[in-house]
Amino acid sequence: EIVLTQSPATLSLSPGERATLSCRANQTISHFLAWYQQKPGQAPRLVIYDASNRATGIPARFSGSGSGTDFTLTISNIEPEDFAVYYCHQRGAWPGTFGHGTRLDIK
Amino acid sequence: QLQLQESGPGLVKPSETMSLTCSVSGGSISSSGHYWGWVRQSPGKGLEWIGSIYYTGITYFNPSLKSRVSISIDTSKNQFSLTVRSVTAADTATYFCARDVFLPPPPNYFDPWGQGTLVIVSS
Repeated sequence: EIVLTQSPATLSLSPGERATLSCRANQTISHFLAWYQQKPGQAPRLVIYDASNRATGIPARFSGSGSGTDFTLTISNIEPEDFAVYYCHQRGAWPGTFGHGTRLDIK
Repeated sequence: QLQLQESGPGLVKPSETMSLTCSVSGGSISSSGHYWGWVRQSPGKGLEWIGSIYYTGITYFNPSLKSRVSISIDTSKNQFSLTVRSVTAADTATYFCARDVFLPPPPNYFDPWGQGTLVIVSS
């Protein structure tokens, strides 16, 4: 199965800064990658699907890019509500698998 | 607005069978054309897709769990259920139900998700 490696494990930034989160697959998955945001005690929330498409209701400061094996989630001008754990998830190969997450902390 | 809610026992003994139900509101489980899935989250393994079901009863399972799990659907109640047999401590996790984003069969993304229910396997 596809292994997704997320880096860094923790990212400490201040509101207003730019966050760059990485997800790397051990085999090519074309553009079939999503990003979820999860806050404590809540379910994951879909943020980006198919590498670069924002899900419904997601602010424009969230953007995704990449294809093949390397993907990036960028949050420009971080807002206080953006501090959470972010997971990547691939549907390009059977079975679908998730990364272990990047925690975005307030610096 | 589509909402999903998990229910089931929070504590299960090792070697027993665990069953969880997902109740769907704000939309019909049989008319949307989507698959409905289960995902679990544990500190050790992170997020793991368990399986998904279509309203006709077609199912797909993660090969790592296929021998111990089953999923059923009750369209009259707008619910679908997960059963895990011969549970061990490794099955301790928060279990989420969710709707597949796209219409084709799994693998797929999930949105929306239920709030999740914690299941602890312990004697």
